[in-house]
Amino acid sequence: EIVLTQSPGTLSLSPGERTTLSCRASQSVSKLVWYQQKPGQAPRLLISGASIRATGIPDRFSGSGSGTDFTLTISRLEPEDFAVYYCQQYGNSPRTFGQGTKVEIK
Amino acid sequence: EVQLVESGGGLVQPGGSLRLSCAASGFTFNTFPMNWVRQAPGKGLDYISFISRYGDDIYYADSVKGRFTISRDNAKNSLYLQMNSLRAEDTAVYYCARGDREFDFWGQGTLVTVSS
Repeated sequence: EIVLTQSPGTLSLSPGERTTLSCRASQSVSKLVWYQQKPGQAPRLLISGASIRATGIPDRFSGSGSGTDFTLTISRLEPEDFAVYYCQQYGNSPRTFGQGTKVEIK
Repeated sequence: EVQLVESGGGLVQPGGSLRLSCAASGFTFNTFPMNWVRQAPGKGLDYISFISRYGDDIYYADSVKGRFTISRDNAKNSLYLQMNSLRAEDTAVYYCARGDREFDFWGQGTLVTVSS
């Protein structure tokens, strides 16, 4: 089973700032996905195939990476972006999630 | 509009059983694989089960294998999770999610609490 390690665990930032979240895999993965989850809500798909924004996702969100190292970048944090972000791989069975990075308001 | 609506959660004693349902609408249900993902209180996402479009390919996480059974009824546009021999560590919000690779739509979740 592939283990995904997200870092940092928590980011304390202000609206307008730029941030980069990391997801590192224990072995090479073929495909990586990013989700956003707000309190009391289900996760929402942000990015698939490491870099393809899902429908309706603003272009301030971007994903990159390959192999074992992937990043999610939010170019300019909006108030609605403060949430927990999870990565997930699906190229290798079973699908696995990272433990999440919380982006909180400073 | 795609909708997934879970039901069937509740409070159950250790060793008990529950059957979760996920009612799908707004898309052609039998063209999509489906999944169950759970989230313990204050914790991350835990992928537990997958079923292919016609149920011929099924996956369970080791943590639920032999206790949980995933199934679907394409005629009723519904996904199910039969949960037996429940343990305290199964306490979580259970989400159904659509997709094979990425999960593009999720239900709102149903809470299962295993406690005496």
